[in-house]
Amino acid sequence: GAVVSQHPSWVICKSGTSVKIECRSLDFQATTMFWYRQFPKQSLMLMATSNEGSKATYEQGVEKDKFLINHASLTLSTLTVTSAHPEDSSFYICSARSDTTMGTEAFFGQGTRLTVV
Amino acid sequence: AQSVTQLDSQVPVFEEAPVELRCNYSSSVSVYLFWYVQYPNQGLQLLLKYLSGSTLVKGINGFEAEFNKSQTSFHLRKPSVHISDTAEYFCAVSDGYNQGGKLIFGQGTELSVKP
Repeated sequence: GAVVSQHPSWVICKSGTSVKIECRSLDFQATTMFWYRQFPKQSLMLMATSNEGSKATYEQGVEKDKFLINHASLTLSTLTVTSAHPEDSSFYICSARSDTTMGTEAFFGQGTRLTVV
Repeated sequence: AQSVTQLDSQVPVFEEAPVELRCNYSSSVSVYLFWYVQYPNQGLQLLLKYLSGSTLVKGINGFEAEFNKSQTSFHLRKPSVHISDTAEYFCAVSDGYNQGGKLIFGQGTELSVKP
């Protein structure tokens, strides 16, 4: 299957700073990328959907000014957590799919563990 | 609106025993159903998916699932589990337009296989 890589795998940052998480599709062009958030022992909640070259669509209750998503190329989307606070600590996972070549499946990255101290 | 309910939060089972992880969904439109496995601190790996056709779907690692439209269920089964199957399992649904992309996940079932 296709490979999606997230970087970093884990990050610790101080409260009030910003953190950027990258999601790359390594062997296909991802026309659509999705960002999910997962709290410990809980399910994945969709945060936003991003299409290359356009603004992301955020799910209800997700602050777009706090979670900045950029999908500037067909292989890279970034999620920036701005002015992070301890309650932003979570596991963030991206997935990516190609609307043109990959059929129905979206492929997941390995996730990023964010800890805000 | 779509939703997914996984009926068991934890399923302990002995090695080589059969297992069934239950999933029910609700949707007003045609759905596409998925099962994913997640190992600790990792992303999700697709086990199997139902898009159309045969209601019995076979996936990787010996897992299979059956789509039952009348009962709105998509239960995951394996006839004989291994220690290595210990993980979190998620059932997910998407609508016809987005198919495999935008997913609504169930709460997850923690499968614990004991020797």
